[in-house]
Amino acid sequence: EAQVTQNPRYLITVTGKKLTVTCSQNMNHEYMSWYRQDPGLGLRQIYYSMNVEVTDKGDVPEGYKVSRKEKRNFPLILESPSPNQTSLYFCASSSRQGLIYEQYFGPGTRLTVT
Amino acid sequence: AQKITQTQPGMFVQEKEAVTLDCTYDTSDQSYGLFWYKQPSSGEMIFLIYQGSYDEQNATEGRYSLNFQKARKSANLVISASQLGDSAMYFCAMREVNNNDMRFGAGTRLTVKP
Repeated sequence: EAQVTQNPRYLITVTGKKLTVTCSQNMNHEYMSWYRQDPGLGLRQIYYSMNVEVTDKGDVPEGYKVSRKEKRNFPLILESPSPNQTSLYFCASSSRQGLIYEQYFGPGTRLTVT
Repeated sequence: AQKITQTQPGMFVQEKEAVTLDCTYDTSDQSYGLFWYKQPSSGEMIFLIYQGSYDEQNATEGRYSLNFQKARKSANLVISASQLGDSAMYFCAMREVNNNDMRFGAGTRLTVKP
């Protein structure tokens, strides 16, 4: 089954404790991205990756890091989480076939930083 | 920068009636794609429909159709014969051909009343 998986699905942590949210896709997609969703703001892109070893900042990259060492994986790293990073996070992937490439979303990770 | 506006934070519709969710966008590019996603209370993002800027006909997918008015830069989603299961958040999104990010609107919460 074609899918994007994220782990963990729920996470409660404390300020300053480094964490990683994993993302993996099995569709051989080149393009992967991370979004955060906050009430009234929709989804905002954090980072994206066009292919292995190619990453770039989205709209709200501050406080986040990513890496793309393998095509299927795109982890999101919070080196020193803060309460304003409490949010719902989505990983997404798509192929690069012109404009008609819908993004496939993971199930989401709900992060709470206290 | 491209921008997506959804002016209806919440909408109500009677079961079996049609409803239109508004979306306007701002771009200076000629080539772009418009997307609608549904997010039920369970949280996942479900792709509904796509419209390309050069498509002459409005996109349709089952009970979903996209009312595309290019000159007015609007891409409204029309849901016909609403069902209780249509109650969800709906997001409009856009990607430009020369841009690597997808921008989302703030969303519209649709409630279908029995």
